[in-house]
Parts: sequence; C-alpha cells; structure tokens
Amino acid sequence: DIQMTQSPSTLSASVGDRVTMTCRASQFISSWLAWYQQKPGKAPKLLIYKESRLESGVPSRFSGSGSGTEFTLTISSLQPEDFATYYCLQYHTYSTFGQGTKVEIK
Amino acid sequence: EVQLVQSGAEVKKPGESLKISCQGSGYSFGSYWIAWVRQTPEKGLEWMGRIYPGDSDSRYSPSFEGQVTISADKSITTTYLQWNTLKATDTAIYFCARERPQDGFDIWGQGTTVTVSS
Repeated sequence: DIQMTQSPSTLSASVGDRVTMTCRASQFISSWLAWYQQKPGKAPKLLIYKESRLESGVPSRFSGSGSGTEFTLTISSLQPEDFATYYCLQYHTYSTFGQGTKVEIK
Repeated sequence: EVQLVQSGAEVKKPGESLKISCQGSGYSFGSYWIAWVRQTPEKGLEWMGRIYPGDSDSRYSPSFEGQVTISADKSITTTYLQWNTLKATDTAIYFCARERPQDGFDIWGQGTTVTVSS
C-alpha cells in the first residue's frame, strides 16, 4: 500500500498570507497526485490534478508542485473562503488520501 | 449538469444489512469508474473500491474486500454499496465519486451518513 503523509496537520494563517502545505508519498507516484478542499458538511472539491494542473473554475491563487514523492500545495494569498481542510490523493496505485491539513484563522 | 446524487441518511442496528445508492446524470455513465470513499473522524478519507458501470468490473481496497459489495445497474445509471452485516464501526459518511481518467475524482456525491447503533 502507498501511504500519504500530510504536514502540518493544522495551519494557522491570516487573510492575505501565502500558505504552503506538503504531502509525502511512501513510494514514487510520478505525477499521479491530486489536491482537494473540503468544508464542513460538504464533499471534497477537486483543486489540482496530475500534480500541478488547475481544475477548471478553481482560482489561480492555488498551485501545485512536486517531485515524484514530495508534493506541495500553495495558496498565494489566502482568502476568507479558503479556510477549510485540504487533502492530497495519490492515484498511481488504486487510491490513498492523506490525513488532511486544516487551515484555520490565526 | 454532471452530478452524482446519493441516497439519504440511514440509521441501522448492528447485524442488519444495508444498500446505499449513487445515481449519475449528465454524462456517459457507463464510461467512467465510480469509487466509494469512507470518511470518519478517526481515519479520515479512505478509498474503499471502484466499479466500472459499463461492464460491472469492480476492484476493492484490501481493507474493505469481503466487508462490502459494490455493484451497478447501468440501465438506471446507479451504483450501490452494500453491507450484509453492519457493525458499529461502519458508522461513517460514505461518498461516491467519479474518476476522470488520469485526473483523480472530479465529481462527488453529496455523501450518505450511515449510523450503526444498538
């Protein structure tokens, strides 16, 4: 099984901050990595797929990068609607989610 | 509009059986894998398995193999997640999600809350 480890588990930030979170895969997954945003009571929403490709309709302040085992989601200028929990997903071999990074108001 | 609509919340007792559903619309239902995902506060999001409604080919996570059954009825654009014997530990929110080829899960159902309690 491929394990996905996200860090940090919680991130405190203010509106306008640049925010970065990381996801590490237990083995090489190439670019088969997606990022999701989830708000309470809602389904996850696709933000980034194939490591760095922005899903249609998602603001350009979201970006993704990576190197095969280590991946980063960056929000360039945090907006009020961005306070949520973010999950990574590997889909190289079946699928595995990370445990999430909660972005909260500082 | 492409969407997945799930069946409503369920409250069951341990030992009972259950089948929840996920109906797709707005796209070629038989041409995309549909996954089922469990969410709990303890373990977060867990991929349970997937089905290709076009031919009902199904795959399971080792963690869920033998514990649940995933099925589909292409004629009514619906997939199902079924338990024969529920346990309290099956209490969770269950999501279905469409797999866009090589892109991950792009469309999600709204979730079905399953509560198993005596």
